Amino acid sequence: DAKTTQPNSMESNEEEPVHLPCNHSTISGTDYIHWYRQLPSQGPEYVIHGLTSNVNNRMASLAIAEDRKSSTLILHRATLRDAAVYYCILRGYSGAGSYQLTFGKGTKLSVIP
Amino acid sequence: NAGVTQTPKFQVLKTGQSMTLQCAQDMNHNSMYWYRQDPGMGLRLIYYSASEGTTDKGEVPNGYNVSRLNKREFSLRLESAAPSQTSVYFCASSEYNRATWISPLHFGNGTRLTVT
Repeated sequence: DAKTTQPNSMESNEEEPVHLPCNHSTISGTDYIHWYRQLPSQGPEYVIHGLTSNVNNRMASLAIAEDRKSSTLILHRATLRDAAVYYCILRGYSGAGSYQLTFGKGTKLSVIP
Repeated sequence: NAGVTQTPKFQVLKTGQSMTLQCAQDMNHNSMYWYRQDPGMGLRLIYYSASEGTTDKGEVPNGYNVSRLNKREFSLRLESAAPSQTSVYFCASSEYNRATWISPLHFGNGTRLTVT
């Protein structure tokens, strides 16, 4: 899987929008962009994924740059329960390698009451 | 729906002891995975099972063995535990289909293992 770059940490005030950036300049045409988050003392949790178009679900929105070299996870109104480490992951099909989901260090999001 | 259940939640071993970490999923998923997470690091894949009856090595398989007991259960065995295996171990499962790289992984809440 191609590499992603995320800021180590970010802060947000409660009930404000949060934009979590991810750079993936070496993304290939078949790589999907996945986001997971990990709350303290829990396993990672799937958030959203996309290929080219922007995506929305009940948890978040994913904005993908036109050249696909970067993306942004958007939490529309941060709550204290959104404080977690957020991982941006590229996942492409390469036979057996498609199972190897590579987690980097992610972005630790702190939410201030 | 329990999702992915891991047992035990905590374990302390002495160097050289053996143990098996258990994982079961009730989502009828074909694929299952074992990851480890060390402090300040991301998750690293130890072994995975694409479907019942198959297992393959991931990024860090040394010192571990796995068994895909049936479709629901995937166990991870440490034959002779070492302090370097102190970590949090996560089991996960996902759907399998031709577009499997899209299917989200569902994780358990982990087993915290300390080897002294």
